[in-house]
Amino acid sequence: DGGITQSPKYLFRKEGQNVTLSCEQNLNHDAMYWYRQDPGQGLRLIYYSQIVNDFQKGDIAEGYSVSREKKESFPLTVTSAQKNPTAFYLCASSIEESYSYNEQFFGPGTRLTVL
Amino acid sequence: QKEVEQNSGPLSVPEGAIASLNCTYSDRGSQSFFWYRQYSGKSPELIMSIYSNGDKEDGRFTAQLNKASQYVSLLIRDSQPSDSATYLCAPRTRWGKLQFGAGTQVVVTP
Repeated sequence: DGGITQSPKYLFRKEGQNVTLSCEQNLNHDAMYWYRQDPGQGLRLIYYSQIVNDFQKGDIAEGYSVSREKKESFPLTVTSAQKNPTAFYLCASSIEESYSYNEQFFGPGTRLTVL
Repeated sequence: QKEVEQNSGPLSVPEGAIASLNCTYSDRGSQSFFWYRQYSGKSPELIMSIYSNGDKEDGRFTAQLNKASQYVSLLIRDSQPSDSATYLCAPRTRWGKLQFGAGTQVVVTP
């Protein structure tokens, strides 16, 4: 089955700890995205990648880092510099970022809680 | 002014009735528009996309777009309890990014 997988489903972080969220897709999509969702708010873009070995900051990149070493994978690291990381993290992908009719499809999400 | 505005709801709709969801956006350069459905605790699911002014129908869903008014809407006909969810409006801005509204919660009552 083609799709996007995220792991873990739930993640707990201690103060000062870095954690990495996994995102894998087998849709052969070029573009991948990370969003953050807080209760009662819309999705906010953290980082996106149009192609392997290239990525750009979104609207709220501070305290986060990413890599794109493989087309299928786009992991997100939440660093200790992110002061309020408790949120629902969503990974998405699309055929290519520049395509006008670009439809993005989402993975199941990772819920991160700071202890 | 928010870049994408939606009524937060909840919008209470009797089963079998029409649910009408509205969305306004600020970027006049937006060309593509998407509606996502999000069940509580789950990720968004794409249900409709619209690119041209006018109406687009897909099953019980109809999307309506008016670029001059910077307005897009979603109608859900014959509402079912399974339609109870939050609906997110997401225009694609001129810079190529999706801009999400906070969503409208729909509650379909038997």
